[in-house]
Amino acid sequence: DSGVTQTPKHLITATGQRVTLRCSPRSGDLSVYWYQQSLDQGLQFLIQYYNGEERAKGNILERFSAQQFPDLHSELNLSSLELGDSALYFCASTSGGAGELFFGEGSRLTVL
Amino acid sequence: AQTVTQSQPEMSVQEAETVTLSCTYDTSESDYYLFWYKQPPSRQMILVIRQEAYKQQNATENRFSVNFQKAAKSFSLKISDSQLGDAAMYFCAYRSAMEGYQKVTFGTGTKLQVIP
Repeated sequence: DSGVTQTPKHLITATGQRVTLRCSPRSGDLSVYWYQQSLDQGLQFLIQYYNGEERAKGNILERFSAQQFPDLHSELNLSSLELGDSALYFCASTSGGAGELFFGEGSRLTVL
Repeated sequence: AQTVTQSQPEMSVQEAETVTLSCTYDTSESDYYLFWYKQPPSRQMILVIRQEAYKQQNATENRFSVNFQKAAKSFSLKISDSQLGDAAMYFCAYRSAMEGYQKVTFGTGTKLQVIP
């Protein structure tokens, strides 16, 4: 158990809909990362937050947004969903410094 | 921008043998961290090994070791005495040590098959 909690684990929805993925980082970790992994693909970096502030942005679509709340949990909002958005979305947290990323189990999104 | 390249999409190894997975990266920074992550069929991301760029000594974790060549920007993973449980996708990752900039970039992965 990495200590990072992601909900929901599985989500099936239709094109055009909006979903919210939630992540609770490890206790004490201030930094949260979001990654997208499509089937048999690598991890695409979406966005990183540190103590509530956006710190780095990757290939995140304009239809996607995220935020980190004062209690340090983070949410990734995906709107106007398309078939191609079907993927495994990972959240990871770290304490910074030389620390590695600790990953949640991912949220598997299926868009029909 | 930093890039991480894993040129071997798939590799196979006989059980109990040794295999080396390759990773190269491109950066202009002198201080950074490198990681190898394992992703078994369960899709969970598991840290295998970590290397700090300022350390010349290669990291080792039980059967897993790295060959870190900073000048060549190469970071290969050696798995000794391969076991069936080592079958997984392996991702190489780069993280800047620059304060306030902590993007972590992953390679495209190498799928390792272990043959009984």
